[in-house]
Amino acid sequence: GESVGLHLPTLSVQEGDNSIINCAYSNSASDYFIWYKQESGKGPQFIIDIRSNMDKRQGQRVTVLLNKTVKHLSLQIAATQPGDSAVYFCAERVTAAGNKLTFGGGTRVLVKP
Amino acid sequence: ETGVTQSPTHLIKTRGQQVTLRCSSQSGHNTVSWYQQALGQGPQFIFQYYREEENGRGNFPPRFSGLQFPNYSSELNVNALELDDSALYLCASSLNGGQVYYFGEGSWLTVV
Repeated sequence: GESVGLHLPTLSVQEGDNSIINCAYSNSASDYFIWYKQESGKGPQFIIDIRSNMDKRQGQRVTVLLNKTVKHLSLQIAATQPGDSAVYFCAERVTAAGNKLTFGGGTRVLVKP
Repeated sequence: ETGVTQSPTHLIKTRGQQVTLRCSSQSGHNTVSWYQQALGQGPQFIFQYYREEENGRGNFPPRFSGLQFPNYSSELNVNALELDDSALYLCASSLNGGQVYYFGEGSWLTVV
């Protein structure tokens, strides 16, 4: 069945350092992946996405890497800032199965000053 | 700001009651999805509406129902509320069921 999970529930990072958030997925049919950031009391905010025909995509201070061989997804945040403190979710979509996103359980990132 | 607005932001209901949550999608977006997010967990897909028709449903019982209106706004209705229905209910909109979904801030429902 479909499942998306994260390796680390909490990640503490020093301000200015790079952060790496990992995510494992089990459905090889997944063809689209998204990272969302959720701050306390708010809805998920889109960060970056990647299709399964790519292995890397870069945005502003963020990079998503996709390793289909081991079904692994990661989000790298460069020069982590206090405003990056939040819970990060990866989500997958299997286009052939419809439009639903399957979310993992989330990783909390705490940025220390 | 995603342009997706939800109401009410917080509400408390008694077990057995019914609740209606509302969502206005981002301008031009004709697809609306609803998710339930329990505390400390990731969002779970409830269902999706595209041009006023339900076109996908997650593993939720029939007492969870919805509507989409001609202006693409949407409602989530939950009947016979149970304590486990206490959660954050999120609405997300997209264009033509496209890849990127933009979420609203959610409606916090507490069932007592």
